[in-house]
Amino acid sequence: GENVEQHPSTLSVQEGDSAVIKCTYSDSASNYFPWYKQELGKRPQLIIDIRSNVGEKKDQRIAVTLNKTAKHFSLHITETQPEDSAVYFCAASIMEYGNKLVFGAGTILRVKS
Amino acid sequence: EPEVTQTPSHQVTQMGQEVILRCVPISNHLYFYWYRQILGQKVEFLVSFYNNEISEKSEIFDDQFSVERPDGSNFTLKIRSTKLEDSAMYFCASRGTPLGNTIYFGEGSWLTVV
Repeated sequence: GENVEQHPSTLSVQEGDSAVIKCTYSDSASNYFPWYKQELGKRPQLIIDIRSNVGEKKDQRIAVTLNKTAKHFSLHITETQPEDSAVYFCAASIMEYGNKLVFGAGTILRVKS
Repeated sequence: EPEVTQTPSHQVTQMGQEVILRCVPISNHLYFYWYRQILGQKVEFLVSFYNNEISEKSEIFDDQFSVERPDGSNFTLKIRSTKLEDSAMYFCASRGTPLGNTIYFGEGSWLTVV
């Protein structure tokens, strides 16, 4: 089955700096890669996603890149703000047939002001 | 924005007791899921449900677990005889169609087994 590895486990950046979180997946059939932000005690909230037919997607300060050949994808947050502090999870899924999400272990992002 | 709603938000139960966690998925969605998250760990898949039957389940989802969609709106997770290690946050999620739709998570039900 699918296995998703996520690095780093914790990331501390200065406000205004960029943050990059990386994930690799094992199943070449996976074609949907969302990123979720989770604040303490809250539900995972989708912040951005990418499908395997594109290599990059941007939404304001957030971008995701996908390298299908290498089976890895990354989250980039620019101009970080204290409110970006949270746990970020990557996930992989095969979109057809409503397949499950397989999550990475999560990255605790701390933005220091 | 439509939401997945879950009840209860928090439940404390004695080991060996049965627990039912309830979810109301988004109304026109077709695919339903339960995930769990042990404190400080990642979100883990338990079970997916489509067309009134389980479509996939994980190794965690053993005979102690069951799911049901008793009517057109509710989706429940039952744990027959709870164990200490069942203590976790349980998230219900739903998706509209196989392609092109986001999976939406509920706020979670925090289960504490004592």
